[in-house]
Amino acid sequence: TQLLEQSPQFLSIQEGENLTVYCNSSSVFSSLQWYRQEPGEGPVLLVTVVTGGEVKKLKRLTFQFGDARKDSSLHITAAQPGDTGLYLCAGAAAGGFKTIFGAGTRLFVKA
Amino acid sequence: NAGVMQNPRHLVRRRGQEARLRCSPMKGHSHVYWYRQLPEEGLKFMVYLQKENIIDESGMPKERFSAEFPKEGPSILRIQQVVRGDSAAYFCASSRGQSLDYEQYFGPGTRLTVT
Repeated sequence: TQLLEQSPQFLSIQEGENLTVYCNSSSVFSSLQWYRQEPGEGPVLLVTVVTGGEVKKLKRLTFQFGDARKDSSLHITAAQPGDTGLYLCAGAAAGGFKTIFGAGTRLFVKA
Repeated sequence: NAGVMQNPRHLVRRRGQEARLRCSPMKGHSHVYWYRQLPEEGLKFMVYLQKENIIDESGMPKERFSAEFPKEGPSILRIQQVVRGDSAAYFCASSRGQSLDYEQYFGPGTRLTVT
């Protein structure tokens, strides 16, 4: 069974701090996605990483896909209160049509 | 260009009643996915449909739950004889093609409360 484990589960930081959240698996994924979900809303796609070792930047967010395509990280520089939300990683299950989601990292950035 | 639409946004049902959740995909999207999310948890895949076909329903309970995506109209997730454990947020997503190759866009969800 393919699983995605996210850490930490919860993170509370001050505005301006940097942070990294992780998404790990023992399985290889052909691609991984990162989503952000705000309370009462559906997840919004931030990025898709496809190639092992790939690094993508989205303003203050940096996403990395592990060389072996089993893990990924999201680094936020100078966090702002607007970054508050649930960050979910997701990957396509091998041999099927499912998308598997991690349980998420809930980030709270204090002003 | 409207996104994925779900209705109702909130639904309250008594135990034993039926719940019917609707999802209209984005224009041009013919693939729909349904997910369930419990509080403080990630999304759990339930079912994947294309127009008039169920492709993968491995995440959906065998009893009481059914899904359809007719040629015309929205996709429907139906839960019969609801129980308190069915209380959750139900999200649908749509894409242009199979999830492995195409991005999924999520709707705002339907929050089902069973009393």
